[in-house]
Amino acid sequence: NAGVMQNPRHLVRRRGQEARLRCSPMKGHSHVYWYRQLPEEGLKFMVYLQKENIIDESGMPKERFSAEFPKEGPSILRIQQVVRGDSAAYFCASSEEKNTEAFFGQGTRLTVV
Amino acid sequence: KQEVTQIPAALSVPEGENLVLNCSFTDSAIYNLQWFRQDPGKGLTSLLLIQSSQREQTSGRLNASLDKSSGRSTLYIAASQPGDSATYLCAPEGRAGTALIFGKGTTLSVSS
Repeated sequence: NAGVMQNPRHLVRRRGQEARLRCSPMKGHSHVYWYRQLPEEGLKFMVYLQKENIIDESGMPKERFSAEFPKEGPSILRIQQVVRGDSAAYFCASSEEKNTEAFFGQGTRLTVV
Repeated sequence: KQEVTQIPAALSVPEGENLVLNCSFTDSAIYNLQWFRQDPGKGLTSLLLIQSSQREQTSGRLNASLDKSSGRSTLYIAASQPGDSATYLCAPEGRAGTALIFGKGTTLSVSS
């Protein structure tokens, strides 16, 4: 089991471009969570998805951010028209069932220039 | 809204010491609580998961306890080693449909 795979590991975007972050959960896991970690700050919950459904997006900014977890393929966190304040590490976690152990990927470090 | 506080924010100890990291949370209606470690520039590694019905969980030199009613968990590290240097994060998980909520962590430095 390869663990939670995130790509790319590092992503540089110019202001106004789109950023697409991908997360492949562990085999057999159908629950995916996205978190953002700003420098010197803790991990902030963004969105919780289960195959084809958004369960909780209470931590997601209302504009420019969206997430999906299709029936086939990885979960995608999409940030449109990026701004410098979007620069952060974005982590994805997955779990087999709700309330079971969550495993994290290595993160994608987004830099907006 | 769940809020998680970890004390101390930073801790420096010599190798071999036993130490305790503290975590408190405001909403005691949790399903479980997980402890993680994060190395600089890396992702999170799961250390221990304590179900709400459990009082403690052990893995090697690590022991985590949970007092749900008082909203507290502690991580005990025995005989600390330089390789234990990392940021330790606790994260309670609430009712169905909510995700892990993190504190800011305790950054541990163990010197040889």
